[in-house]
Amino acid sequence: EPEVTQTPSHQVTQMGQEVILRCVPISNHLYFYWYRQILGQKVEFLVSFYNNEISEKSEIFDDQFSVERPDGSNFTLKIRSTKLEDSAMYFCASSDAQGAYYYTFGSGTRLTVV
Amino acid sequence: TQLLEQSPQFLSIQEGENLTVYCNSSSVFSSLQWYRQEPGEGPVLLVTVVTGGEVKKLKRLTFQFGDARKDSSLHITAAQPGDTGLYLCAGDGSKDSSYKLIFGSGTRLLVRP
Repeated sequence: EPEVTQTPSHQVTQMGQEVILRCVPISNHLYFYWYRQILGQKVEFLVSFYNNEISEKSEIFDDQFSVERPDGSNFTLKIRSTKLEDSAMYFCASSDAQGAYYYTFGSGTRLTVV
Repeated sequence: TQLLEQSPQFLSIQEGENLTVYCNSSSVFSSLQWYRQEPGEGPVLLVTVVTGGEVKKLKRLTFQFGDARKDSSLHITAAQPGDTGLYLCAGDGSKDSSYKLIFGSGTRLLVRP
C-alpha cells in the first residue's frame, strides 16, 4: 500500500539552529500538509500546499517556517531558527484529488530542540 | 474558531464489552474523519463520513455522522485488546479548499484481556 515517508525519524538540534524535515508524499497525490503534535497535546495544522504554493497556513506557521517542493517528489519543512517550544512530532500528510476525504499521514519526525 | 471535543478522554474496559466514543462541535463540518494513532506513529485513517446521518461499518466498528454534521460517534462492539490505542476525530476545517483538518484531543482506549 502506498505510504508517506518521512526522514529523519528523530532529529536533535541545538536551539537557534536550522532544521529541514523531509517527506516523500504519495506519488499521485495533489495536496500536501504539515502537522505537528506536541507531547500530550492535539495534532495541530501547520500548512497546506497545492499547485506549488501555500493554500493555507496556521498562526503557528510564522516567518521561521517555510515549505518547499524542490523536485516534484520531496516536500520539506524548514525551521529557520529553532526554539525549545518547537520540540514536537512533525507529521507530513498528502491527499488525493478528493482533498479532505482521504488523507495519508507519515510516521512523523520527532524533533527535539535542546 | 472551530473546535472538536472528544469524550471520554480515557476509557478502560474489559475484553468483550461494547463502548462508544463521541466527537462534538458547535460548528458544521463538510466531512469528519476518524483516525487511530499508536505511540510514536502517525494517525491512520479509519473512515471518512460526509453525509449527515451517515452510518459506516468497519468490522466491529460503527461510525455515525450526526444529522446536522456537527458531531460523530464511534461504537466498538465486543472490544478486543488489539483495539487499544488513541482514537482521534478530525473535521475538514478548510475555508478555501485547503483541506486542513482540525483534530479533537482524542480518546485513549485500553482494552484489558
